[in-house]
Amino acid sequence: DTAVSQTPKYLVTQMGNDKSIKCEQNLGHDTMYWYKQDSKKFLKIMFSYNNKELIINETVPNRFSPKSPDKAHLNLHINSLELGDSAVYFCASSPIAGGGEQYFGPGTRLTVT
Amino acid sequence: KNEVEQSPQNLTAQEGEFITINCSYSVGISALHWLQQHPGGGIVSLFMLSSGKKKHGRLIATINIQEKHSSLHITASHPRDSAVYICAVRGGTGADGLTFGKGTHLIIQP
Repeated sequence: DTAVSQTPKYLVTQMGNDKSIKCEQNLGHDTMYWYKQDSKKFLKIMFSYNNKELIINETVPNRFSPKSPDKAHLNLHINSLELGDSAVYFCASSPIAGGGEQYFGPGTRLTVT
Repeated sequence: KNEVEQSPQNLTAQEGEFITINCSYSVGISALHWLQQHPGGGIVSLFMLSSGKKKHGRLIATINIQEKHSSLHITASHPRDSAVYICAVRGGTGADGLTFGKGTHLIIQP
């Protein structure tokens, strides 16, 4: 079974649209994350959720909103997509807040045209 | 905010060579991670360190907390080791996400 899964794997959409990326982990971990990898392959934290509570929120535009219906899921909603949002988005989880190895999902490649 | 620097940015070596990738950071941390990203894009955690040294197969990771420096070594390198190796640090407070270096692109030629 896949530990951290993301859907979709690829997402192509037009500017101005609203889209969502889903993430699920079956590891029983308490903390989940969203990371963005830009065109230069640089990774950066976007959000972190611990037991359904947002605990960090880096300087991400408010067009991006994480939603966690339960501690196994952390979805990413993006409103009014812009060209600069094109990137690969990785979901990850770790056993406890502030510690433990991180397990990454396979990534979602978002292309905004 | 922690600054994470990796060197070298690119490294090409022959099969069998001993490989060293370096990582330095600017602010105290609770843990340092070494990650591997293959051309297919997936990211795998290789090590998580807060002190000392860890070994897994042909991979060795060390950290010097006082000097704010870590190294990843690969012994008897093989073409399948070709990947991007990323150093990432976790801050000392709360449930921080990781701060990443820019990665080292390693190519091992047969």
